[in-house]
Amino acid sequence: EAQVTQNPRYLITVTGKKLTVTCSQNMNHEYMSWYRQDPGLGLRQIYYSMNVEVTDKGDVPEGYKVSRKEKRNFPLILESPSPNQTSLYFCASSGGGSYNEQFFGPGTRLTVL
Amino acid sequence: GENVEQHPSTLSVQEGDSAVIKCTYSDSASNYFPWYKQELGKRPQLIIDIRSNVGEKKDQRIAVTLNKTAKHFSLHITETQPEDSAVYFCAASLIYNQGGKLIFGQGTELSVKP
Repeated sequence: EAQVTQNPRYLITVTGKKLTVTCSQNMNHEYMSWYRQDPGLGLRQIYYSMNVEVTDKGDVPEGYKVSRKEKRNFPLILESPSPNQTSLYFCASSGGGSYNEQFFGPGTRLTVL
Repeated sequence: GENVEQHPSTLSVQEGDSAVIKCTYSDSASNYFPWYKQELGKRPQLIIDIRSNVGEKKDQRIAVTLNKTAKHFSLHITETQPEDSAVYFCAASLIYNQGGKLIFGQGTELSVKP
């Protein structure tokens, strides 16, 4: 089954404790992205990746890191989480080119205390 | 950079009525405009998209129209049903750009009352 998976689905942590949210896709997609969803603000892109070892900042990259060492995986790293990073996070992948449909993962609900 | 504004933020209609959600974008170079539907507790899913070389696209009860001159596009849902209740997001991007960089609108919460 073609899918995007994320782990964990729910996470409660404390300020300053490094965490990683994993994302994996099995559709051999070139492009992957991370979004955060906050009420009234819609979906805002954090980082995106066009291929292995190629990443670029989205609209709200501050406080986040990403890496793309393998085509299927695109982890999101919060080195020192703060309460304003409490949000719902979605990973997405797309085939790129004319196939721009974003396939979203199930989401990760993060709470930073 | 691109900016997408979406209105209204909430919309309530009676079952069977039509619903219209409008979006404006700022970058005239954008040429791909998808709409995503997010049901409560679920992930966003693409429902329809339109490219800048067409003015309208229909898929059963949903349609999207695009006015490139005015830089706005709209989602039209006819004969609404309770299962249409969800949050709808518009977005804008460049096809063949840096790979799926999408700018989303703020979302519209549609409620269809039986």
